[in-house]
Amino acid sequence: DTGVSQNPRHKITKRGQNVTFRCDPISEHNRLYWYRQTLGQGPEFLTYFQNEAQLEKSRLLSDRFSAERPKGSFSTLEIQRTEQGDSAMYLCASSLGGSGWSGANVLTFGAGSRLTVL
Amino acid sequence: TQLLEQSPQFLSIQEGENLTVYCNSSSVFSSLQWYRQEPGEGPVLLVTVVTGGEVKKLKRLTFQFGDARKDSSLHITAAQPGDTGLYLCAGVQYGGSQGNLIFGKGTKLSVKP
Repeated sequence: DTGVSQNPRHKITKRGQNVTFRCDPISEHNRLYWYRQTLGQGPEFLTYFQNEAQLEKSRLLSDRFSAERPKGSFSTLEIQRTEQGDSAMYLCASSLGGSGWSGANVLTFGAGSRLTVL
Repeated sequence: TQLLEQSPQFLSIQEGENLTVYCNSSSVFSSLQWYRQEPGEGPVLLVTVVTGGEVKKLKRLTFQFGDARKDSSLHITAAQPGDTGLYLCAGVQYGGSQGNLIFGKGTKLSVKP
């Protein structure tokens, strides 16, 4: 297993365009998370999935943002009608968790997808 | 208002010096984690602490979780240039969602040779 993989690593787009990021988690991990990180800030929680179910969404996730994990494996994060304020690093992470799991919630992060909106 | 406050925000020291960075909150956390992040990469987990008063050591790094589980510290002994990076604390609020790991803004450490 090569860890959490994110694509593309970099995306430059014009304001108003739609963009989609993909995340492939560690194969045995049932939880998948999306975070956003801007310069000088720590990662901010956007949403997380347990298997294919989206269990929680942050208020940061406006209606222009949508995340899916259709088969409980890879996930996509789509941003519609991008704005300059969407420029950030979008981080994906995965972990084991949920009922029956008594361990700590240990996240493994991908290298991120950097979005620049011109 | 940041739920997890990290200090200092920036730290620049010489190789061989010791340092401590802090992570404080007014809220109780069921667990706290420390991550290190290098430019252009995702955070990498260093340690998880779950018990109030817990101390964990990882080579030259010592992590402590406060007795009340509201704060944590990271102490580095004899810092090396390879320790340079952004150190982030993150936690799960007591009674909060297990899926929502809250991060501080981080301490940016630079160790000069």
